[in-house]
Amino acid sequence: SQQGEEDPQALSIQEGENATMNCSYKTSINNLQWYRQNSGRGLVHLILIRSNEREKHSGRLRVTLDTSKKSSSLLITASRAADTASYFCATDGSSNTGKLIFGQGTTLQVKP
Amino acid sequence: DTAVSQTPKYLVTQMGNDKSIKCEQNLGHDTMYWYKQDSKKFLKIMFSYNNKELIINETVPNRFSPKSPDKAHLNLHINSLELGDSAVYFCASSQEFGRDDGYTFGSGTRLTVV
Repeated sequence: SQQGEEDPQALSIQEGENATMNCSYKTSINNLQWYRQNSGRGLVHLILIRSNEREKHSGRLRVTLDTSKKSSSLLITASRAADTASYFCATDGSSNTGKLIFGQGTTLQVKP
Repeated sequence: DTAVSQTPKYLVTQMGNDKSIKCEQNLGHDTMYWYKQDSKKFLKIMFSYNNKELIINETVPNRFSPKSPDKAHLNLHINSLELGDSAVYFCASSQEFGRDDGYTFGSGTRLTVV
């Protein structure tokens, strides 16, 4: 069954606001990653957080990980119209094969 | 320079045909993957190769056959195409698992079977 579930499925905000997306997963992990997908394009890696980390920052992105709740959140601060995209979390399911298990994604629309 | 390149970008074909999608990466990565994204944007791994060796073969019909002539290339051949094969197929590569730079994805091949 699908590993990750994301919440909300769709999010619409105004430019300058913060956007928070949540991801839940079912099995133990070594790491969790977030990707962005613009319409009609491939996925772009945003950030990776390891199972022994609780929070990580990259520019306007902040990711948290709670392994006890098997959940992660992605916060985009001061959103821009260019942040409009789908965002996916992906876990490795603690495998060493490189296999990533993706959530269904959150579609974010940032209105100018 | 494109890091992971797939060709073609679009592929429209009739049921029963055989088609191939090519993928090449110039990043020097050891592992390459094929993922399928359905109409609901759900991404699922199909295959992975590490240094030309098959590592992952998910429950994929044997009409799908990956081929890796060298570690920079991973092609996907599909026989007897069916309507349900319509999807976007992504090639990806990575160096080591769990590195901070994650995977690098190609821009996708949109396959439409009519």
